[in-house]
Amino acid sequence: EVQLVQSGAEVKKPGESLKISCKGSGYSFTSYWIGWVRQMPGKGLEWMGIIYPGDSDTRYSPSFQGQVTISADKSISTAYLQWSSLKASDTAMYYCVRHYYDSSGAAVDYWGQGTLVTVSS
Amino acid sequence: QTVVTQEPSLTVSPGGTVTLTCASSTGAVTSGYYPNWFQQKPGQAPRALIYSTSNKHSWTPARFSGSLLGGKAALTLSGVQPEDEAEYYCLLYYGGAQLGVFGTGTKVTVL
Repeated sequence: EVQLVQSGAEVKKPGESLKISCKGSGYSFTSYWIGWVRQMPGKGLEWMGIIYPGDSDTRYSPSFQGQVTISADKSISTAYLQWSSLKASDTAMYYCVRHYYDSSGAAVDYWGQGTLVTVSS
Repeated sequence: QTVVTQEPSLTVSPGGTVTLTCASSTGAVTSGYYPNWFQQKPGQAPRALIYSTSNKHSWTPARFSGSLLGGKAALTLSGVQPEDEAEYYCLLYYGGAQLGVFGTGTKVTVL
């Protein structure tokens, strides 16, 4: 069974750093892209970027380039999303997703349960 | 900046049919945008329904179908059930499926 299990909720202060995680299981972690999606309170979904754990090839949405860092450790089947200096506007639910594309098309199929990040002084 | 637009809200009667659309600010949506559709209920993570325009995942109920309609991606719900009340998002891919852009979302009410 494919699963993406994310780390727990975080409460941080502005200016602090943070790294949240997403552990994949039930499939070949290095053969699929992992993406991150933001959902601010009461708002829609936003594509942040993707990483291919097999070679750490990473692609960011222009809106998030330079704002966050996506990484992965294939030895433990885990992807990460990190901030060096959080802002109140980073308060949101963050989902990791499994993404793939091949000759048959492109898809996001599995979602993590979400990690709620609250940034408040 | 690319914007993907959906109807803000739609209402459908139980057993009825409703079609949601997904438009790109860059022009007509084609199969090369690999349209995906997702359902999100309050307090839950989204769930994938359709990928690459019209393909269903193994868990997707038969009453959901995807297509291209008048230059847009479309999701049709036939024989709507009360449990289909949810927010629906489309996802279009740009730049060789390396950059995704989600639609603005459609709230479907079953009444």
